[in-house]
Formats: sequence, C-alpha cells, structure tokens
Amino acid sequence: QVQLVQSGAEVKKPGASVKVSCKASGYTFTKYGITWVRQAPGQGLEWMGWITIYNGNTRYAEKVQGRVTMTTDTSTSTAYMELRSLTSDDTAVYYCARESGGNPDSWGQGTLVTVSS
Amino acid sequence: DIQLTQSPSSLSASVGDRVTITCRASQSISSSLNWYQQKPGTAPHLLIFGASSFQSGVPSRFSGSGSGTDFTLTISSLQPEDFATFFCQQTYSAPWTFGQGTKVEIK
Repeated sequence: QVQLVQSGAEVKKPGASVKVSCKASGYTFTKYGITWVRQAPGQGLEWMGWITIYNGNTRYAEKVQGRVTMTTDTSTSTAYMELRSLTSDDTAVYYCARESGGNPDSWGQGTLVTVSS
Repeated sequence: DIQLTQSPSSLSASVGDRVTITCRASQSISSSLNWYQQKPGTAPHLLIFGASSFQSGVPSRFSGSGSGTDFTLTISSLQPEDFATFFCQQTYSAPWTFGQGTKVEIK
C-alpha cells in the first residue's frame, strides 16, 4: 500500500536550517508529485509548495519563497524539504503528501519542527 | 491569493444527525475543491476531490457538491468516528489555500 514515512522531530535555534525527509513506498515514485503542507500548533493548514518528480519542477508559496528548497532522490524514492533562516513562526508540524492532478491523496505522518532559543 | 471561508467554525451534533459544512471561495475555482478530515495528532485524510468525487475507501455517508464559489460537504448520518475537524482546499491556482476548518464535536 502507499506509504509516506517522514523523518523525526527536530528542535532548531532561530536562524538555523532544517531538512525534513519523506520516504515513499508502494507506488511508482516518479509518476506523482509531492506537496508539502505545514500546520502551526492549534492552527490551520498552510500549503508550502510542490515538486513534480519526473522533471524536478517546483512551485513555492510566496511566504517561504527564498527560504525553502524541495528536492527528491529518485534512487531512494525520497523527497526532501529544506527550510532556512528559521524563526519561531516556523514552529509547526510539516507534512508531505503524494499529489496527482491537484489531489494530495496520501500523507506522511508529519514531522514536528520546533524553533526555540 | 484565493480565500476560502468555511462555516460554521464549529458545531455540535449527535450520532445519526445530518451535518452540512459550507466553503465559499473569494473567486470562482470551478470544481477544484478538496475536502479533508483531520483527527487530533494525525495527518489530514482526503475525503472528496474535484468537489464531488469520492476518494477510495471513503464511506458513502460523505458527499460533496458545488462549483464556482460555493461548496458543501454533507455527512448524511454522523457516526462516532466522524468527530474531527474538516478542511476545504482549493487547487485551482497556486498558492493552494485551505479554509480555516470546521470542528465537529459531540453534543
């Protein structure tokens, strides 16, 4: 079955970077995209961007543009999301999701990133 | 950016009740609307895509309707496992945006 398994929780200091991984299994990795969404504590969902795996094309939300990089490693069916220059506003659970035609249909379990001095 | 406004923000209902949640877009998004259910501490779960198409495995008591700017998620007979927060999301144009959520609680 389709599974997306994300890396573990991270604690970072302001100004640092974090790189979250998302390992996919149960489907052909290159036939879908990966979307990243985050959720601050007690808040709603915020779309961060997507990556089209077969050609590496990306689209990022303006709010994180310039600080985020989404990449993939097709040899290990793993997607990555790196966020730089972290502030306390970046404290959130980060989710990856398999995406096809605008439908994020399978989600990872989430990775809590805490930014604190 | 396209804004999505859900109503109500929360509701209390009993098992067996019919529940309706609405999502209004700030501009037309055709049928590019998804609905998710999220339970505490877990990832969102896709229920409906394309405004009215069922995701595989979703119980038939869930249904979606609408197009343009006004959309509805209906639960025909609320079950104990349905108590959660529901979100709409538009995928018509980037940035994909979400509604603020509707929390469905037990009366």
